[in-house]
Amino acid sequence: EVQLVESGGGLVQPGGSLRLSCAASGFTVSSNYMSWVRQAPGKGLEWVSVIYSDGTTKYAASVTGRFTISRDNSKNTLYLQMNSLRPEDTALYYCARDDPFTDAFDIWGQGTMVTVSS
Amino acid sequence: SSELTQDPAVSVALGQTVRITCQGDSLRDYYASWYQQKPGQAPVLVIYGGNNRPSGIPDRFSGSSSGTTTSLTITGAQAEDEADYYCNSRDSSGKHDVVFGGGTKVTVL
Repeated sequence: EVQLVESGGGLVQPGGSLRLSCAASGFTVSSNYMSWVRQAPGKGLEWVSVIYSDGTTKYAASVTGRFTISRDNSKNTLYLQMNSLRPEDTALYYCARDDPFTDAFDIWGQGTMVTVSS
Repeated sequence: SSELTQDPAVSVALGQTVRITCQGDSLRDYYASWYQQKPGQAPVLVIYGGNNRPSGIPDRFSGSSSGTTTSLTITGAQAEDEADYYCNSRDSSGKHDVVFGGGTKVTVL
């Protein structure tokens, strides 16, 4: 079965760090474009970051310099290292497979909640 | 702020047709995709490449595009179609890789 399972969310103080994980099954993370998309409570979807199959990474302006996307091919897992967290980073973080042929996110995880608060 | 613009909310009578629109300069260069999101659930892809449905998506969902506007049409809306709908595309401005619209809440009356 093709699926994505996120983990690693939680409550963190402003300025703190968290690392999110996204374990994939049924397909190979390194052969695909993989993105993180977040959704603040009651708000819309916001693209955060992508890692291409060739390892190229891109970030939304709001997280550039603070977040790092990576993958572990041996574990077939995607990561998002989040540093210098701000209250406005509070959101449900989804990982999604980003199909470069259709330009669509065709597989989504269920999300992991990150709350930044003192 | 979103670089794709959607109406915040629309309503449709049960069994009738509703069209949701999405506007943005990136749509001149890229096809849009559409996602359905029900409360407490992850988004689900319903249209990609402008007018293609993934396996399992009912054929009452269709897409179209013209210039900088793309549309999602639900023909014969059902109660289970009540949800938030988001458009997205690659970003031709180069500022981001991907942009999303702000979402449209569809209410089935």
